[in-house]
Amino acid sequence: EVQLLESGGGLVQPGGSLRLSCSASGFTFTKFAVTWVRQAPGKGLEWVSGISGNGGITYYAKTVKGRFTISRDNSKNTVWLNLDSLRAGDTALYYCARDRHSWEAAPEPDGFDFWGQGILVTVSS
Amino acid sequence: SYELTQPPSVSVSPGQTASITCSGDKLGDKFASWYQQKPGQSPVLVIYQDNKRPSGIPGRLSGSNSGNTATLTISGTQAMDEADYYCQTWDTTTASVVFGGGTKLTVL
Repeated sequence: EVQLLESGGGLVQPGGSLRLSCSASGFTFTKFAVTWVRQAPGKGLEWVSGISGNGGITYYAKTVKGRFTISRDNSKNTVWLNLDSLRAGDTALYYCARDRHSWEAAPEPDGFDFWGQGILVTVSS
Repeated sequence: SYELTQPPSVSVSPGQTASITCSGDKLGDKFASWYQQKPGQSPVLVIYQDNKRPSGIPGRLSGSNSGNTATLTISGTQAMDEADYYCQTWDTTTASVVFGGGTKLTVL
């Protein structure tokens, strides 16, 4: 059974940092890209960042580029999202999701077929 | 930046057909995916590559994409289909995933 489990969220002050983790199981981790999508309370889905199966390709939304960093360790079946210089507007439920393929053959997201339950990040003083 | 536009809400009677549209410049030249999200739950992929269904998604959900509009069609709508639906595509120009604003489907 494919499972994705997010952790590392919480309450942080503006300007602070957090590190989110996405631990995966139930599939060959290296064969799939992973993406982060967030959802502010009562709002729609917003894509944040993604990383290819081998970690060689990364993408970021314009709103987080330069502040967030995505990485993965395939020996640990884990993807991380480092969140720096956090703002109130970053408050959201953060989901990690598996892409349908690795991106190595075609570096374009192609639908996110499994999602975690999400982890809440609250930026407030 | 690339934008996808969806109607905020669509209503349908049980057993009827619901159509949810998603508009974007030359969207038909890209692949569109659709996600269903019920309250308090994570999104679920229901359509990818315009018209393909993942395993486990019922055949009454279908998709199309041409010109500037992608459409999710739900035939024989059931109460269990009541949810928020989001379209999504990839914009190669900005190397960004783009989501539509979402459509709340109400089954009256």
